[in-house]
Amino acid sequence: RKEVEQDPGPFNVPEGATVAFNCTYSNSASQSFFWYRQDCRKEPKLLMSVYSSGNEDGRFTAQLNRASQYISLLIRDSKLSDSATYLCVVAPNAGGTSYGKLTFGQGTILTVHP
Amino acid sequence: DTAVSQTPKYLVTQMGNDKSIKCEQNLGHDTMYWYKQDSKKFLKIMFSYNNKELIINETVPNRFSPKSPDKAHLNLHINSLELGDSAVYFCASSQTTVAPPEQFFGPGTRLTVL
Repeated sequence: RKEVEQDPGPFNVPEGATVAFNCTYSNSASQSFFWYRQDCRKEPKLLMSVYSSGNEDGRFTAQLNRASQYISLLIRDSKLSDSATYLCVVAPNAGGTSYGKLTFGQGTILTVHP
Repeated sequence: DTAVSQTPKYLVTQMGNDKSIKCEQNLGHDTMYWYKQDSKKFLKIMFSYNNKELIINETVPNRFSPKSPDKAHLNLHINSLELGDSAVYFCASSQTTVAPPEQFFGPGTRLTVL
């Protein structure tokens, strides 16, 4: 089983749509969770961290369910500029520098069309 | 004012050659990383250095040798290049005292081995 699994998609949605991505992770000791965004032929960039209480940043909402080892990302009112690959990322949090070891999912491709 | 820079951006070379990729960050971070993104788009960590000390060394062939002359630089030298080394190599940095730690990625070096 992969450490971090995502539905690779692709998801093709019209502008204005709401789209949700899911991710599961296998290491129950994981403590830090993120969504990164990677545009075509570019580097990954942090979209948002994910907390147990859930968090929202504008049109983006992230949720974490530790019991089910499940992370989600919801994008409301999709824009053309949201087209990218969304990477689910987890890390251990044993203190010191160990939490720097990020494990990436393979990414979910999103295309938003007019 | 590029935060994490890599050179070269593209590298095309023959099998058996030795090549180096350089990385520099001007964010004042104490930890730097090398990742490999293969044709299936999986991002996998290779190495990590904290204050010039190697802290993560994943299962990577010993043809790959990282070097950190100071905490702002992390270079990657590859000996006897093989076809399977073709990938995009990303450098990243983070600050361990920040939680959760965001990693900032360089633009990537696209290596093609012929």
